[in-house]
Amino acid sequence: DTGVSQNPRHKITKRGQNVTFRCDPISEHNRLYWYRQTLGQGPEFLTYFQNEAQLEKSRLLSDRFSAERPKGSFSTLEIQRTEQGDSAMYLCASSKGVAGLTSTDTQYFGPGTRLTVL
Amino acid sequence: RKEVEQDPGPFNVPEGATVAFNCTYSNSASQSFFWYRQDCRKEPKLLMSVYSSGNEDGRFTAQLNRASQYISLLIRDSKLSDSATYLCVVTGYYMDTGRRALTFGSGTRLQVQP
Repeated sequence: DTGVSQNPRHKITKRGQNVTFRCDPISEHNRLYWYRQTLGQGPEFLTYFQNEAQLEKSRLLSDRFSAERPKGSFSTLEIQRTEQGDSAMYLCASSKGVAGLTSTDTQYFGPGTRLTVL
Repeated sequence: RKEVEQDPGPFNVPEGATVAFNCTYSNSASQSFFWYRQDCRKEPKLLMSVYSSGNEDGRFTAQLNRASQYISLLIRDSKLSDSATYLCVVTGYYMDTGRRALTFGSGTRLQVQP
């Protein structure tokens, strides 16, 4: 399967614990995005990488959230000191972008990591 | 006001019906528009891009009205397999915030009944 993959698919944790999710994009895609989706809502943008550079972060991304893409391939999203409000589906997407523009990219989504904070 | 607004539905229609979804967006600087489909507990998948001239893909027709900041999706001859949530997506480079991200609506749920 050459699509976007995410691990783990499900994560249950206790409030206050740290969690880390991984995303492996489609191999030739230079852009990678993280979104969060709660029930009944569309995905909300969190952050975006072009190669290894983190070019954009949403105001939704508090200091407890950090994302990396060290070699421009896979990415990790870490949430420190989890709160119950962090419970959501975390979606990763990738695209093959033209330099300077993301607006015309077609983004391909992974299956997501469902986080439950108890 | 939300940046992208959709009627949440649900739209319950019989097989074979024609159904239309609407979406409005608030930022006139938006550049590209898409419809995504999301099945229950699955990831969103691109259904079609939306062009100013309107575009059609089989039973699906998308329209864009930039003056009214309005996007629509028309599904003809609905199938049971069309049951899903349809997400309106807007993107572009916004000078005031420097944002380039996709902005999703909350989605419109469609249930096609036999």
